[in-house]
Amino acid sequence: SQQGEEDPQALSIQEGENATMNCSYKTSINNLQWYRQNSGRGLVHLILIRSNEREKHSGRLRVTLDTSKKSSSLLITASRAADTASYFCATDNSNSGYALNFGKGTSLLVTP
Amino acid sequence: DTGVSQDPRHKITKRGQNVTFRCDPISEHNRLYWYRQTLGQGPEFLTYFQNEAQLEKSRLLSDRFSAERPKGSFSTLEIQRTEQGDSAMYLCASSSPGLGYNEQFFGPGTRLTVL
Repeated sequence: SQQGEEDPQALSIQEGENATMNCSYKTSINNLQWYRQNSGRGLVHLILIRSNEREKHSGRLRVTLDTSKKSSSLLITASRAADTASYFCATDNSNSGYALNFGKGTSLLVTP
Repeated sequence: DTGVSQDPRHKITKRGQNVTFRCDPISEHNRLYWYRQTLGQGPEFLTYFQNEAQLEKSRLLSDRFSAERPKGSFSTLEIQRTEQGDSAMYLCASSSPGLGYNEQFFGPGTRLTVL
């Protein structure tokens, strides 16, 4: 079953703009991760935030986590056409061997 | 080692046939996971191994699905008596205790089409 829900389902922006995607989940977590998937291909790990962290940065990525609201956001700044992909949040729990529970994803289109 | 590899990349089969997919993880990773992804959805966890031990298999979709990792290296996922509803992308991922098992590295997937 899907653990998370991303919002919006689809997002279209122009190069240079910022893109914000949100994720909500249902149960307690150890970590929350964001992955990117280019069309029909495997997933690439972007960033991990632990349950005791509130914000994390990696390059043009900024992730926040609010465990009281069971939600996270991914901000991509100064977007590029190459950022066009689907973005998934995934939660894990040590009780399940750190198997990932994914949301349905946000489809991001960045136009030149 | 360049990453997780999966074979074949595409498989077309007729309903009722058996299919087997292979996954070769990153060599030093002792955890291996299988996921299924249908169109428009996120990946769905199926099963995982630590070395050769299958530690979780309750999430396999039915008794037609089975997985092995006999020597703790590569793994196979078999689907018996395939059904049209089995059409999906099957993804394999591996991870290492050095990463705290948190970050998983995914292969390119095997896309299964059942006619």
